[in-house]
Amino acid sequence: GDSVTQMEGPVTLSEEAFLTINCTYTATGYPSLFWYVQYPGEGLQLLLKATKADDKGSNKGFEATYRKETTSFHLEKGSVQVSDSAVYFCALKGAQKLVFGQGTRLTINP
Amino acid sequence: GAVVSQHPSRVICKSGTSVKIECRSLDFQATTMFWYRQFPKQSLMLMATSNEGSKATYEQGVEKDKFLINHASLTLSTLTVTSAHPEDSSFYICSAGKGGGLGSEAFFGQGTRLTVV
Repeated sequence: GDSVTQMEGPVTLSEEAFLTINCTYTATGYPSLFWYVQYPGEGLQLLLKATKADDKGSNKGFEATYRKETTSFHLEKGSVQVSDSAVYFCALKGAQKLVFGQGTRLTINP
Repeated sequence: GAVVSQHPSRVICKSGTSVKIECRSLDFQATTMFWYRQFPKQSLMLMATSNEGSKATYEQGVEKDKFLINHASLTLSTLTVTSAHPEDSSFYICSAGKGGGLGSEAFFGQGTRLTVV
């Protein structure tokens, strides 16, 4: 079945550092890919998405490119802020369901 | 973006009692809603798909008699945890989508933290 694998956390960085969170997937067909962010005690918020190969999703300085050849959707940000501290989930959507990766906890220190 | 409201945000109940969690789509109609369970520091596990006007579809291993789902209208789905036990303590999250396409966005409620004592 469909699955998503994220790099294990937790990830701790200093403010203004470069961020990469790796995400790879396995799916039949051509899924859409998403990154969601979860702040403490809250539900998930969509951060960005890409619906087809080579699409780049971007939002709030975060970017991810749908790479079909490597089945990847890595999340990047050039300069992180303390407010980016949260748990990040990579997800794919096949026929109907969302399938989530295990989540990566990110902590940014001032 | 669309808003999904989940209530209550926190609930503490005694072992053996039942708890109802509501999920409402405030500004759009949702024929399908999803219920997830999240264990501490883990990912979301899909429990069931709630379909308006018909029976919910449960994932393998989820007890349908324990986790009762009712999707009575296009804007409301409820999850009732029956005869709750401490092992049911968890963070429950619902989501609803606008449209059904592959790229359609899912909107999540803020979650309900259930503690069974």
